[in-house]
Amino acid sequence: SQTIHQWPATLVQPVGSPLSLECTVEGTSNPNLYWYRQAAGRGLQLLFYSVGIGQISSEVPQNLSASRPQDRQFILSSKKLLLSDSGFYLCAWRARGDSRNTIYFGEGSWLTVV
Amino acid sequence: AQSVTQPDIHITVSEGASLELRCNYSYGATPYLFWYVQSPGQGLQLLLKYFSGDTLVQGIKGFEAEFKRSQSSFNLRKPSVHWSDAAEYFCASTGGGNKLTFGTGTQLKVEL
Repeated sequence: SQTIHQWPATLVQPVGSPLSLECTVEGTSNPNLYWYRQAAGRGLQLLFYSVGIGQISSEVPQNLSASRPQDRQFILSSKKLLLSDSGFYLCAWRARGDSRNTIYFGEGSWLTVV
Repeated sequence: AQSVTQPDIHITVSEGASLELRCNYSYGATPYLFWYVQSPGQGLQLLLKYFSGDTLVQGIKGFEAEFKRSQSSFNLRKPSVHWSDAAEYFCASTGGGNKLTFGTGTQLKVEL
């Protein structure tokens, strides 16, 4: 069966520090991968999605970047965090090819920028 | 552009009462529609989804949703709510592309 792992689960980072959140998917090949952010009291905002290694689509201009160095690995990064980057970050995957396929989510990473 | 609206930010129901959470979508064709549930501090779990065919869809945990094209709605229902149903519920849609668009969520509180 397919699983998705996301880490770290929680982190507190000072303003101006770098960020790296990692996500890996197991049990599937060539998935579509996604990063969502959920700010307090708001819905889910799609940040990035990827349909293949090295292929990243950015949905909103921001202080973050994403990379996909391997087929089932998706990394969310920042060189210098801002207070506004605080939130709950969710990685997700979907099987390639059929947009009816369900998107499955990881357990999320709580980021607090102080 | 595709959008999803959940008009109710918070809903409180008594345990055992019926529940309906509203969802409206904006999309030219028939979208693919989903309901997810999120417990505090956790990821999202799929409750049910609609693609085509029977407009009444059954999901997990006793939930169902009905697609109404004329109203552009996909409301989530449960006949009798349990205290464990307290969570945040998200409606989402995709128009056939790679992206899933979410509503802003409805926070459900269950009173004992």
